[in-house]
Amino acid sequence: KQEVTQIPAALSVPEGENLVLNCSFTDSAIYNLQWFRQDPGKGLTSLLLIQSSQREQTSGRLNASLDKSSGRSTLYIAASQPGDSATYLCAVSEPGANSKLTFGKGITLSVRP
Amino acid sequence: EPEVTQTPSHQVTQMGQEVILRCVPISNHLYFYWYRQILGQKVEFLVSFYNNEISEKSEIFDDQFSVERPDGSNFTLKIRSTKLEDSAMYFCASRAQGGGTDTQYFGPGTRLTVL
Repeated sequence: KQEVTQIPAALSVPEGENLVLNCSFTDSAIYNLQWFRQDPGKGLTSLLLIQSSQREQTSGRLNASLDKSSGRSTLYIAASQPGDSATYLCAVSEPGANSKLTFGKGITLSVRP
Repeated sequence: EPEVTQTPSHQVTQMGQEVILRCVPISNHLYFYWYRQILGQKVEFLVSFYNNEISEKSEIFDDQFSVERPDGSNFTLKIRSTKLEDSAMYFCASRAQGGGTDTQYFGPGTRLTVL
């Protein structure tokens, strides 16, 4: 059974800092990996999707990498801003046409002004 | 930009009552999902739906749950007899095509509170 882990559960950094959020998964047989952002009490906003054949994806200040063989992904946020404060969830898509997602618990990021 | 919508945003019900949560997926999408998130816990997969039938369901999705696509736009989740432990945020998601290559887009969620 796939397990996704995100450590630490919470992170607080000063504004402007570059930071890395980690995600690990137990079964390397994945189709893709998605990073989501969740604001308190809100839905999930997709940030980046990395297909299993890719190594990284970039969108603006965000860069996500994938090392499928070791079961790891990182989300790099450059020049963090207070508006980046949110919970960041990692989810892996399981094999099969349905591609259901298995989520980590998320990392709650607080960027201090 | 197209988005997944869900109604209501918050539903309060008494234990044992039936509830229907509604979703309008993105119009050209083919795969539909329901997930739930109990407060403080992980987002969990409930069920996937394709070609007008359930394609996969989790252990959570027992006989109390059902899904339906009654017309070309809506996708509903019904809980027949709610329990206290059904209190959670329920998210609908949709995806354009198969093969696991496409992003799942999530709706804003319905917060279900069972009293």
